Amino acid sequence: AQKVTQAQTEISVVEKEDVTLDCVYETRDTTYYLFWYKQPPSGELVFLIRRNSFDEQNEISGRYSWNFQKSTSSFNFTITASQVVDSAVYFCALTLEGYSSASKIIFGSGTRLSIRP
Amino acid sequence: NAGVTQTPKFQVLKTGQSMTLQCAQDMNHNSMYWYRQDPGMGLRLIYYSASEGTTDKGEVPNGYNVSRLNKREFSLRLESAAPSQTSVYFCASSEISGSYTGELFFGEGSRLTVL
Repeated sequence: AQKVTQAQTEISVVEKEDVTLDCVYETRDTTYYLFWYKQPPSGELVFLIRRNSFDEQNEISGRYSWNFQKSTSSFNFTITASQVVDSAVYFCALTLEGYSSASKIIFGSGTRLSIRP
Repeated sequence: NAGVTQTPKFQVLKTGQSMTLQCAQDMNHNSMYWYRQDPGMGLRLIYYSASEGTTDKGEVPNGYNVSRLNKREFSLRLESAAPSQTSVYFCASSEISGSYTGELFFGEGSRLTVL
């Protein structure tokens, strides 16, 4: 089956702690994309990163970093020195290549992150 | 800069009623999607459309129909609403060309309650 698993349903940490959100995926495809999205309490979905399956370089953007490992089919997301504003639900997503030019894009069930002051 | 616009934002229906959720994007994207979000279930794909005139089933298509009216618009119809369809619905669009898949741009969501 092709799917995305976010095993951590909820995480709660104290402000300034580092936190890692796990994402494990399954796919038969050799070409695919992975995404992370943030959904703050206001409800909108905010794009964070897109990663192509051929690009295994880790990425850092400010306090955010992503570790992509094809060998373990994981695309984990780390927030360094967390802040209260990081409190949100975070979703990992995967494209499934179809026979049409469109990709189905499926999501994990999300991880609710709470940062306590 | 509207992006993806969904209407209505809120709707209450009685079991058996029908309704259509409208979605329009102004980014000239070729692909459009409908997702539903339920607590603890994440976002589940209902239907998607690669281009005008084509639609495909997602993970949870039962009870829904879609129509890709043109490149801009992608509507989701509930013919006979059921309480199990109470959810928040998100429309999204993306640019997909050859091996390139862009990120999804989402609307603000439509909260539907079926009594």
